Amino acid sequence: EIVLTQSPATLSLSPGERATLSCRASQSVGSYLAWYQHVPGQAPRLLIYDVSNRATGIPARFSGSGSGTDFTLTISSLEPEDFAIYYCQHRSNWPPSFGPGTKVDIK
Amino acid sequence: EEQLLESGGGFVQPGGSLRLSCAASGFNFAITAISWVRQAPGKGLECVSGINNNGADTYYADSVKGRFTISRDNSKNTVSLQMNSLRADDTAIYYCARAYVTRFGPFSSWGQGTLVTVSS
Repeated sequence: EIVLTQSPATLSLSPGERATLSCRASQSVGSYLAWYQHVPGQAPRLLIYDVSNRATGIPARFSGSGSGTDFTLTISSLEPEDFAIYYCQHRSNWPPSFGPGTKVDIK
Repeated sequence: EEQLLESGGGFVQPGGSLRLSCAASGFNFAITAISWVRQAPGKGLECVSGINNNGADTYYADSVKGRFTISRDNSKNTVSLQMNSLRADDTAIYYCARAYVTRFGPFSSWGQGTLVTVSS
């Protein structure tokens, strides 16, 4: 099973600041890496798939990069609604595991 | 608009059973793989089961293998998860999710989730 790790566990930032979240895979997942936003009590929302493709309706302030085993989600300027938990996930094989999440909270 | 609606959650004692259902609308269900993803209290997301578009291929996490069974009815646009021999660590919110590119994701649409509580 491919294990995903995320860092940092928590990121404390102010609105308008840039957020950089990392995801590392225990083995190469090629370009099969996605990012989700999860607000507790709501359904998770797909933000980015296949490293850098924004899902439908996702604002341009969200961007993804990386390849193989190291990936980054960048939020260029945090909006109030962006404070949430972010998960990475691979789809290389079963199980399509998730990382443990990075919580972005308000500083 | 794509929609997924879960039902069937509830309170059950250890060793008991529950059957979750996921009703889909707004997309071509018959060509879409569906997975169940759960979130235990204070924990992250775990993909516990998946099924391909025609039901021929099913997948299970090791934690539920032999206890959970996934199935689908394309005539009714529904996916079910039969959960037997439930344990306290199965307590979680269970989401059904639509796989967008391949059977393993990414998951482009999610339901609101249904809560399963296993406790004596």
